Amino acid sequence: SQTIHQWPATLVQPVGSPLSLECTVEGTSNPNLYWYRQAAGRGLQLLFYSVGIGQISSEVPQNLSASRPQDRQFILSSKKLLLSDSGFYLCAWSRGREDTQYFGPGTRLTVL
Amino acid sequence: DQQVKQNSPSLSVQEGRISILNCDYTNSMFDYFLWYKKYPAEGPTFLISISSIKDKNEDGRFTVFLNKSAKHLSLHIVPSQPGDSAVYFCAASAYNAGNMLTFGGGTRLMVKP
Repeated sequence: SQTIHQWPATLVQPVGSPLSLECTVEGTSNPNLYWYRQAAGRGLQLLFYSVGIGQISSEVPQNLSASRPQDRQFILSSKKLLLSDSGFYLCAWSRGREDTQYFGPGTRLTVL
Repeated sequence: DQQVKQNSPSLSVQEGRISILNCDYTNSMFDYFLWYKKYPAEGPTFLISISSIKDKNEDGRFTVFLNKSAKHLSLHIVPSQPGDSAVYFCAASAYNAGNMLTFGGGTRLMVKP
């Protein structure tokens, strides 16, 4: 069976510090990978998606970037965090674009 | 511009009764709709979906209805159970847009024993 992992589960970072959130998927190969953010009181906003190694599409221009160094690894980064980057970050995977997306447990990021 | 809207941020229902969660969309190109359930501090879990060629899909206690002319879908849970208490997100995708999901803002369902 497939599983998706995210870490860390929670993170508190000062404004201006860097960020690296990691997501890995097990039990499948060449998945589509996604990063979402859920801000307080708001729905899920797609940030990035990837259909393969090194292939990243950005949905919303912002302070964040994503990378896919390996087939089942997806990383969300920032060089300098802003207060507005606080939120709940979710990684998801699907077999293909038309398939159901399955979400990881999420990372709660608080920027102070 | 919110293409998928859940106008009720919260809903309270008595155990055993029906829960009806609503979702409206504006993009007529959406052709696939999903409902996700989310507990606090966890990722959303897929619940049920419906293709635009159907108007109803049922899975156990969960039924999703799609009204394409009104651009409206709803999730019915019957009977509601306390364990159903969670935030429910509807999502929509369009084949010609790469099937990227657009999520609504969520509705918090509270089922009272």
